[in-house]
Order: sequence, then C-alpha cells, then structure tokens
Amino acid sequence: DAGVTQSPTHLIKTRGQHVTLRCSPISGHKSVSWYQQVLGQGPQFIFQYYEKEERGRGNFPDRFSARQFPNYSSELNVNALLLGDSALYLCASSRAGGGDQPQHFGDGTRLSIL
Amino acid sequence: AQTVTQSQPEMSVQEAETVTLSCTYDTSESDYYLFWYKQPPSRQMILVIRQEAYKQQNATENRFSVNFQKAAKSFSLKISDSQLGDAAMYFCAYTSPIKAAGNKLTFGGGTRVLVKP
Repeated sequence: DAGVTQSPTHLIKTRGQHVTLRCSPISGHKSVSWYQQVLGQGPQFIFQYYEKEERGRGNFPDRFSARQFPNYSSELNVNALLLGDSALYLCASSRAGGGDQPQHFGDGTRLSIL
Repeated sequence: AQTVTQSQPEMSVQEAETVTLSCTYDTSESDYYLFWYKQPPSRQMILVIRQEAYKQQNATENRFSVNFQKAAKSFSLKISDSQLGDAAMYFCAYTSPIKAAGNKLTFGGGTRVLVKP
C-alpha cells in the first residue's frame, strides 16, 4: 500500500500570496493532521481532521485553514503569506482520531517565502 | 498544556556502541502516550517506538528500547549496536488518550544523532 503522499514537494512563493498544500492519507485511514516544522525545531501541530470534521486546532492564525474531502484527502491553505511561514509542512494520517492511533507521516512540502 | 523537552541538541556515538537520548515532559494527565520519532535527511518522520503510560513495562523494538520513569516524567531512548543508518534527528512526542482531544502530537526540539564509523 502507498504511504502518505504530499504535493507539491517544494514550493516557492512571495509575501502576500496564497498557497494550497495537499495530502493523501494511507488507504483506510480516516484522520489527517497537519504540522509545521521550522528549520531546526520540532513540528508544531496545526490541524487535525477526522471523518471530515475538525478535531483539533493548534495556535496558528486564521490565515491557516484546512479541510478534508469525502475520500479523506486533505488540503491546507495559507493566506497572506509571511516570511515566517517558510517551513516544512508535514501531513500525518491514522486509522482513527484518538491518541492511541499511530500516526504515519508523509515526506512533507518544503515552502519557501521570498 | 503539555510540554516536551529534549536537553541534548546533538549526540555522537561510535558504530556498534550504545547511545541514550533524554526526554522529559510535563503533563497533569495520568494516562497518555509517548513516542520516539526518527527524521533522517529524507525528511519523513518515522515512528521508532511507542509507550503507553499505564503500562509499567518499558517498550522495546529490536535495537531500540526506552526507560520510562512516570513519576519523574522521563522517557529516554536507548539505541544499541548503533548503525550508520541510525544517523538522524530524533524527536520525543506526547499525545493525550482523550478522544475529544484528538491525536495532537506535542514534540520536543529534537536531538541530532551522529554515528561515527
């Protein structure tokens, strides 16, 4: 089975632009979570979606939004990009939405803001 | 709010030797899950080992084992017989078992492991 797939791999944007990142979970997984990993730091939780509903939200501004589709894939949207949004964005999927479920990560999208 | 702290920015180990990575956490919950993840330069976060707080027995996975000290809120990872492929960033992470809280992972800052041939 394919693992968690994220697209694109790399992305370069300028300040003020908008970006959409995509994630396809492992087949059979219904939960998708997004994390932001700034260079040299541990990942920070942004969102979790389970069964197409938001299950959790981290301490990020409203410029960040996400959604989950009927096939359980997910999009992360970021508006009005700032230099500080430059980071590796990781997507993780799990079978269900609880903390007992191991999460499987994709390779991430490297976002660079100029 | 839960916090996770990794006090060692970098650790170096000789191939075939043993290295221990430290992790402490802060929580008011009595039940929770702790994880160690490995992130090689390829970027993908790989689950190494998982510990359930209500289980007193320390988890092991092949050459990887943990020392879980619940009272001290300590969760260290031991890598035995280190191999060149073990070189990576290692992250300690915490999550709550409460379903309403979802599966948010709280990560530490990471420890870089260098393996010398």
